[in-house]
Amino acid sequence: AQTVTQSQPEMSVQEAETVTLSCTYDTSESDYYLFWYKQPPSRQMILVIRQEAYKQQNATENRFSVNFQKAAKSFSLKISDSQLGDAAMYFCAYRGDYGGSQGNLIFGKGTKLSVKP
Amino acid sequence: DAGVIQSPRHEVTEMGQEVTLRCKPISGHNSLFWYRQTMMRGLELLIYFNNNVPIDDSGMPEDRFSAKMPNASFSTLKIQPSEPRDSAVYFCASSFSLAGGRGNEQFFGPGTRLTVL
Repeated sequence: AQTVTQSQPEMSVQEAETVTLSCTYDTSESDYYLFWYKQPPSRQMILVIRQEAYKQQNATENRFSVNFQKAAKSFSLKISDSQLGDAAMYFCAYRGDYGGSQGNLIFGKGTKLSVKP
Repeated sequence: DAGVIQSPRHEVTEMGQEVTLRCKPISGHNSLFWYRQTMMRGLELLIYFNNNVPIDDSGMPEDRFSAKMPNASFSTLKIQPSEPRDSAVYFCASSFSLAGGRGNEQFFGPGTRLTVL
């Protein structure tokens, strides 16, 4: 069975600084997707960034980027120029590539990010 | 698009009562997922449907839980009878997939916060 581990329950960053959130996963599959979701106090789950395992290039979305190390099964999220609005729970998630059918997301326990002004 | 719609947003009920949570997926999406979020267990899949057919219900905790998807635009999650340990946030998510195609993003609803007294 696939598992996702986030080893940092809480992180803190100064506004405008850079922070990296860690995520490791375990799978025997070769094709899969990895995601980072943000959950602010409103509890809405918001997709931050996604990475396809078959792509070697790391995904980027504005201030958000990932460091995807397939061999190490590591998928960290870097937030640059942190803003107060980035404060939230961040969840790392895995999904297998099942072709026509849709596999469910497997989530890590989350990292609570605080941003200090 | 209105996004995934869930109702109610909050539900407070007494132990033993029946609870019904509702979800309207994004129009055109053919996969629907029910997740539960608790402090102890994090985010976990309860059940998911593809083209209105249940594909994986292994996450449904016990017979007290049941889910239906009578058509492509509506799903319900029912708990009968409810117990205090069912207190959690329940999320519905939807996505679109083509047969033989690669997986697509899941869009989450705002969640239903259930409290069972």
